[in-house]
Amino acid sequence: AQKITQTQPGMFVQEKEAVTLDCTYDTSDPSYGLFWYKQPSSGEMIFLIYQGSYDQQNATEGRYSLNFQKARKSANLVISASQLGDSAMYFCAMREEGAGSYQLTFGKGTKLSVIP
Amino acid sequence: SAVISQKPSRDICQRGTSLTIQCQVDSQVTMMFWYRQQPGQSLTLIATANQGSEATYESGFVIDKFPISRPNLTFSTLTVSNMSPEDSSIYLCSVGTWGRASAFFGQGTRLTVV
Repeated sequence: AQKITQTQPGMFVQEKEAVTLDCTYDTSDPSYGLFWYKQPSSGEMIFLIYQGSYDQQNATEGRYSLNFQKARKSANLVISASQLGDSAMYFCAMREEGAGSYQLTFGKGTKLSVIP
Repeated sequence: SAVISQKPSRDICQRGTSLTIQCQVDSQVTMMFWYRQQPGQSLTLIATANQGSEATYESGFVIDKFPISRPNLTFSTLTVSNMSPEDSSIYLCSVGTWGRASAFFGQGTRLTVV
């Protein structure tokens, strides 16, 4: 079974609008971290936001927020006020920290296109 | 958070040759990871590199094809050996630490094999 599922291969959003990118995860480890990355055409993986499994509050980083619903095993990324520069691939990833391995498992990604 | 420098950023190589990718971290870390991203795909872990021990490879990756060195706590190399066009990918390194501090990657190496 996939550990990270991103069900939206592609998304379109109008400039200045908000957009939600979906991510669900599967783990039995009580200690884990969830990450979102942006990958522009250059190939660089740009870290956007992190949510720890024990964090009580949803993470926010500027225009990015993570809608963390632990019981539903959901970690959706919300981008507010979309900009043309937000057009890129977005990856959700998880680290299961209880086993001490610290490696990341990635979803298949969502391609976001921002329309002027 | 660690700053990770990776080079080369890109290369075009002839089939049958080898390329060594370097990853330098600005702080000491126990674990470093190497990932591959084939065109249009997500990232897949190649191996975990711990200082002072042999790298641990994931299923489908072997040491003869992807030898890894980890001479100290701030540096690692990944070699892609006897390359074929199927090795054309982006290769990325990252570090294994706790929580948010471990989120960062090197700039990536875009490899094209012709």
